[in-house]
Amino acid sequence: EPEVTQTPSHQVTQMGQEVILRCVPISNHLYFYWYRQILGQKVEFLVSFYNNEISEKSEIFDDQFSVERPDGSNFTLKIRSTKLEDSAMYFCASTVGAFSNQPQHFGDGTRLSIL
Amino acid sequence: AQKVTQAQTEISVVEKEDVTLDCVYETRDTTYYLFWYKQPPSGELVFLIRRNSFDEQNEISGRYSWNFQKSTSSFNFTITASQVVDSAVYFCALSERETSGSRLTFGEGTQLTVNP
Repeated sequence: EPEVTQTPSHQVTQMGQEVILRCVPISNHLYFYWYRQILGQKVEFLVSFYNNEISEKSEIFDDQFSVERPDGSNFTLKIRSTKLEDSAMYFCASTVGAFSNQPQHFGDGTRLSIL
Repeated sequence: AQKVTQAQTEISVVEKEDVTLDCVYETRDTTYYLFWYKQPPSGELVFLIRRNSFDEQNEISGRYSWNFQKSTSSFNFTITASQVVDSAVYFCALSERETSGSRLTFGEGTQLTVNP
C-alpha cells in the first residue's frame, strides 16, 4: 500500500539554525499538510498546500515557517531560525481530493530536537 | 471555531475487556467529518475510521465500532475484546466542509493501556 514517507526520522539542530524537513506524499494525492506534536500533547495543524500554494495556515505557522514543493514528488517544511520551542514531532500528511471526508494519510514523522 | 474534547486522559483495561473512548466535538458547520486515529508507542498516526455528519448510521468493523450522535455532538469509539497491541494513544479529529484545505482539529488524545 502506498504511504507517505518523511526524512529524516530524527533531526538535531542548534538553536538559530535553519532546518528543512522533507516529505514524499502519496503519488496521486493533491493536498498536502504539515502538523506538529509537542511531546505529550495533541497534534496541531500547521499548514495545508494545494496547487503549489498555501490553502490555509494556523497561527503557529508564522514567518519563520515556509513550505515548498520543489519538484513533482517532494514537499518540504523549512524553519528559518529554529527556537527551543520548535522541538516537536512533525508530521506530513496527504489526501487525494478536496473533500474533507478523505482520510489524511500520515507519514511516520520527523522528531526535531533543538539544542 | 471547531473544537474536539476527549475527556478521558488515560484508560487502563485488562485484555479481552471492551473499552469505549469518548469524543465530543463543537462545530458551526452543517457538513463535517469525524475521524479516529491511533498513535502506537512507535509514534506514527494510523487512520482508523471516518464518519460524515449526514450519516449517523453506526457500524462495526471487526473489533472496532463507533457511535455517532449528532444530538449530543458525540463520536465514541469502542474496541471489543481488547488486546495488548491496542495499547496506544487514540485521537478523535474533526474536519469541516467549509474550511478550505480540510485541516484536522485533534482532541487531546486518550492513552489506552491494555494489560495482559
